[in-house]
Amino acid sequence: EIVLTQSPGTLSLSPGDRATLSCRASQSLSTAYLAWYHQRRGQAPSLLIFGASRRATGIPERFTGSGSGTDFSLTINGLEPEDFGVYYCQLYDGSPFMHTFGQGTKLEIK
Amino acid sequence: QLHLQESGPGLVRPSETLSLTCTVSNGSISDSRYYWDWIRQSPGKGLEWLGALYFSGSTFYNPSLKSRVTISLDTSKNQFYLKLTSATAADTAVYYCARQEYHYAMDVWGQGTTVTVSS
Repeated sequence: EIVLTQSPGTLSLSPGDRATLSCRASQSLSTAYLAWYHQRRGQAPSLLIFGASRRATGIPERFTGSGSGTDFSLTINGLEPEDFGVYYCQLYDGSPFMHTFGQGTKLEIK
Repeated sequence: QLHLQESGPGLVRPSETLSLTCTVSNGSISDSRYYWDWIRQSPGKGLEWLGALYFSGSTFYNPSLKSRVTISLDTSKNQFYLKLTSATAADTAVYYCARQEYHYAMDVWGQGTTVTVSS
């Protein structure tokens, strides 16, 4: 079973800053199967990035996903107030059919 | 726009079966492009994938829960279901249903429903 480790646990930044979130996999995986989600307090997660770098419908260009192998990252340029919350990475592992989430990075207002 | 809505009891007694329904609207559960998933989030914790269902009836479960989880569907009602047997306090969580698209990401989520396991 592949384990996803996200860092940092908490990131304290100000509006307008750049945020860089990391997601490291315990084994190399296909970029096609890595996604990122954003969850605001009291709400369901929402899809930001799929296929490691492809923005979901309606996601602003300030969100950029990148990486390959075991190291992936989500960069948010010019933080907006609505960007704060918790971010999760997620992978699909086809052997067997299984989804795993990282433990999350909390992005909080400094 | 596709909408998912979870429903079911908010309180389940220990050792009983937790049963939830996800109603799909403005879209078809028989759409061959998608899987239909259940995910949960324990208080203050992260996300845990429980399992997924394809319109054909094929199911896929988290190995850690496989012996207790059953996911099924009713295409006539455009609904799919979660059953989790032998519930314990550790199953207390917000339960989400979601659509999984062909890139294996969950692109539409329900609002979630809170289930507490307690006597």
